Amino acid sequence: KAGVTQTPRYLIKTRGQQVTLSCSPISGHRSVSWYQQTPGQGLQFLFEYFSETQRNKGNFPGRFSGRQFSNSRSEMNVSTLELGDSALYLCASSLGEGFRNEQFFGPGTRLTVL
Amino acid sequence: KQEVTQIPAALSVPEGENLVLNCSFTDSAIYNLQWFRQDPGKGLTSLLLIQSSQREQTSGRLNASLDKSSGRSTLYIAASQPGDSATYLCAANAGGTSYGKLTFGQGTILTVHP
Repeated sequence: KAGVTQTPRYLIKTRGQQVTLSCSPISGHRSVSWYQQTPGQGLQFLFEYFSETQRNKGNFPGRFSGRQFSNSRSEMNVSTLELGDSALYLCASSLGEGFRNEQFFGPGTRLTVL
Repeated sequence: KQEVTQIPAALSVPEGENLVLNCSFTDSAIYNLQWFRQDPGKGLTSLLLIQSSQREQTSGRLNASLDKSSGRSTLYIAASQPGDSATYLCAANAGGTSYGKLTFGQGTILTVHP
């Protein structure tokens, strides 16, 4: 069974641009969560989706947004990029409702903002 | 607000030693707790998930315990090997309206030398 996949794996952008990251969950998983990982702040929760509905959102500015499609694939978008957005972005999927099940993470997308 | 702390921040041991990693959380009203390992530049690999009703979980040389009343979890690694070298993260899930949100500790960097 394929694991969680994320594309692209690496991105280099300049300040002010926008970026879209994609996450494909494990087949049959309906919940997708996104996290930002930086050396200073560690892993921080961005948002969680279940059946195309955002059920929880972390403490990030409105420049960070996401969505989930009917096939459970998810995208997150960051507009007007800032240097501080440079990070490893990880998505996780779980079988059912997020809090009941083990979460499995993808390899991440490394975003560098210049 | 849930806060998760991991001690020690770093640990270096010779191959073959048994070791314990500690995780504490401030809000005992958790639904489950998950342990992960992360290799440099990679995503998170799930090691063990302990539901709030459980006291411990075992997988191979790994054993994780949970004491909700004291807000503590430990990860025991038996007969450590160089391949165990990685960052170990614990994450608490409050469940309920937190849904898939995991609150992570800062991690313990483990080095097992031959």
